Amino acid sequence: AQSVTQLDSHVSVSEGTPVLLRCNYSSSYSPSLFWYVQHPNKGLQLLLKYTSAATLVKGINGFEAEFKKSETSFHLTKPSAHMSDAAEYFCVVWTGNQFYFGTGTSLTVIP
Amino acid sequence: DGGITQSPKYLFRKEGQNVTLSCEQNLNHDAMYWYRQDPGQGLRLIYYSQIVNDFQKGDIAEGYSVSREKKESFPLTVTSAQKNPTAFYLCASSPRGTGATHEQYFGPGTRLTVT
Repeated sequence: AQSVTQLDSHVSVSEGTPVLLRCNYSSSYSPSLFWYVQHPNKGLQLLLKYTSAATLVKGINGFEAEFKKSETSFHLTKPSAHMSDAAEYFCVVWTGNQFYFGTGTSLTVIP
Repeated sequence: DGGITQSPKYLFRKEGQNVTLSCEQNLNHDAMYWYRQDPGQGLRLIYYSQIVNDFQKGDIAEGYSVSREKKESFPLTVTSAQKNPTAFYLCASSPRGTGATHEQYFGPGTRLTVT
């Protein structure tokens, strides 16, 4: 069975502090993994993607994620949160046949 | 500019009426998708198409219909049979084939309100 679990539905951080959004997946195949960001009433924007190259992936706006096969995880991090990072974040898995979406993590950034 | 357009951004309909949401892409992608998003929830797949003149049901296809007559266009019709049609609808496309990285590109969405 394939699935994606985002471990936190809400995360709050203070501006300037690190961000960690957690994602675990289960897949019978070697997956492609993505993180998307969605601002209110907007479409989803691709932050970064893992496609079996380097396990540490750098994305836009200072975000990065590390693929850990042994832990089946693909957590999203950023060293220093900015107010503009407040949004909904989705972890997505492509198994070669279908996309699977996590339920999303809402990030709040406190000034 | 390359991308996906959805129109209109906001749509209001009376209960019992069919309504068609537009989705157009100029990315030359083979695959296109329709998702529904409800408040506080993730995305749920309605229909997808991997090639022109072919499409498959997703997880929540009941009450919806699609067509794929052109590579660039994938309109979604919300029929009167859909019991709870008020939602935010997102269209996406992705490249396919050997070497494709399969990331999806999303349109800005259409918010449908049915009263």
